[in-house]
Amino acid sequence: EAGVTQFPSHSVIEKGQTVTLRCDPISGHDNLYWYRRVMGKEIKFLLHFVKESKQDESGMPNNRFLAERTGGTYSTLKVQPAELEDSGVYFCASSQSRGTGELFFGEGSRLTVL
Amino acid sequence: AQKITQTQPGMFVQEKEAVTLDCTYDTSDPSYGLFWYKQPSSGEMIFLIYQGSYDQQNATEGRYSLNFQKARKSANLVISASQLGDSAMYFCAMSLSSGNTGKLIFGQGTTLQVKP
Repeated sequence: EAGVTQFPSHSVIEKGQTVTLRCDPISGHDNLYWYRRVMGKEIKFLLHFVKESKQDESGMPNNRFLAERTGGTYSTLKVQPAELEDSGVYFCASSQSRGTGELFFGEGSRLTVL
Repeated sequence: AQKITQTQPGMFVQEKEAVTLDCTYDTSDPSYGLFWYKQPSSGEMIFLIYQGSYDQQNATEGRYSLNFQKARKSANLVISASQLGDSAMYFCAMSLSSGNTGKLIFGQGTTLQVKP
């Protein structure tokens, strides 16, 4: 069974440009989460999808970030325009149910904004 | 406010020995979950162990055990018989009580290096 996959693994862009990160959750997992780790800081929750609906987006830093999950399958996280402080590793995770909350994480997408 | 604290930025352990990674948490909610994740150099976050706030016994998963001391609000991870492959970053995390158990608060992590 394929795990959570994220693309790209690393993206380097200039300030003001746009980047779109993609996450493919484990097949059948209704819950999809985005997290972010900025250098030297804790991993922070960004948002949560249940199927195609945004359940909780309280962690989204500002309106430069847009997350979508069309059809309740894969998800994209777009940053437009990117700022220097957006640099970090963006993790996607999925889970099948609200049981123990065990999340299956991807390997992360490292974003570097120059 | 809910918070997870990992006070050990880095730890060393000799292969085959046991090691304890510290984690303290802060929450006023009686219902919560505590997790440990391992992040090897590949970057993927690997789930290790879970402890519910109402669980009477400490959780164990193979060589991993969680030393849950509710009164002290600590949830230390104990790795027995360390292996070279245990070298990684370890994160302690807590689920909030809102019912969305996938919304986790993470500590800053502890880097563990196992020496041969």
